[in-house]
Amino acid sequence: AQSVTQPDIHITVSEGASLELRCNYSYGATPYLFWYVQSPGQGLQLLLKYFSGDTLVQGIKGFEAEFKRSQSSFNLRKPSVHWSDAAEYFCAVGAGQAGTALIFGKGTTLSVSS
Amino acid sequence: DAGVIQSPRHEVTEMGQEVTLRCKPISGHDYLFWYRQTMMRGLELLIYFNNNVPIDDSGMPEDRFSAKMPNASFSTLKIQPSEPRDSAVYFCASSLGGRGSNQPQHFGDGTRLSIL
Repeated sequence: AQSVTQPDIHITVSEGASLELRCNYSYGATPYLFWYVQSPGQGLQLLLKYFSGDTLVQGIKGFEAEFKRSQSSFNLRKPSVHWSDAAEYFCAVGAGQAGTALIFGKGTTLSVSS
Repeated sequence: DAGVIQSPRHEVTEMGQEVTLRCKPISGHDYLFWYRQTMMRGLELLIYFNNNVPIDDSGMPEDRFSAKMPNASFSTLKIQPSEPRDSAVYFCASSLGGRGSNQPQHFGDGTRLSIL
């Protein structure tokens, strides 16, 4: 069965420091992978997606993610974190009919310290 | 452009009452999804539609839950009768096309449901 694991429930990073959020997936075929961000009281906003091709994907707000098939990982990175990046981050894999339905990880809460 | 619109944003009601959540997808999108978010279980897919037809409702927790999509611009998720364990944030999302379309899902701001 398809699944997504985000090992870190909560991460605190100093403003200006680099960030890496981990995501591991289990999926039988070539996965469609996504990272979403959720601010308090808001819906989910897409940061970036991987469908095929270049394994290093650039997203919005300076985020990037790298797909590593050998490690079944799709880690999210940002070289320099801003206080406004504090939010909850969700990794998801496309499953179901035609890869349409999303299976989400439990999320990682990012806190940014000054 | 208008995004996915959900109503109400907040709903507080007593157990046993009927609850109806509403969603207007982005115009032109042919897939619509309902998710539930709780602290314990995270984000769970409840049901999704393609061209107004339910495709997979295996995530619907019980017969008390039902969803309809009478037309391309409107969907409802109904709980009857409601129970305190149904308290959660319910999200609606829509997208254009399936696996080959390279299109992501767009989420509404959610309905925060509290059953007393």
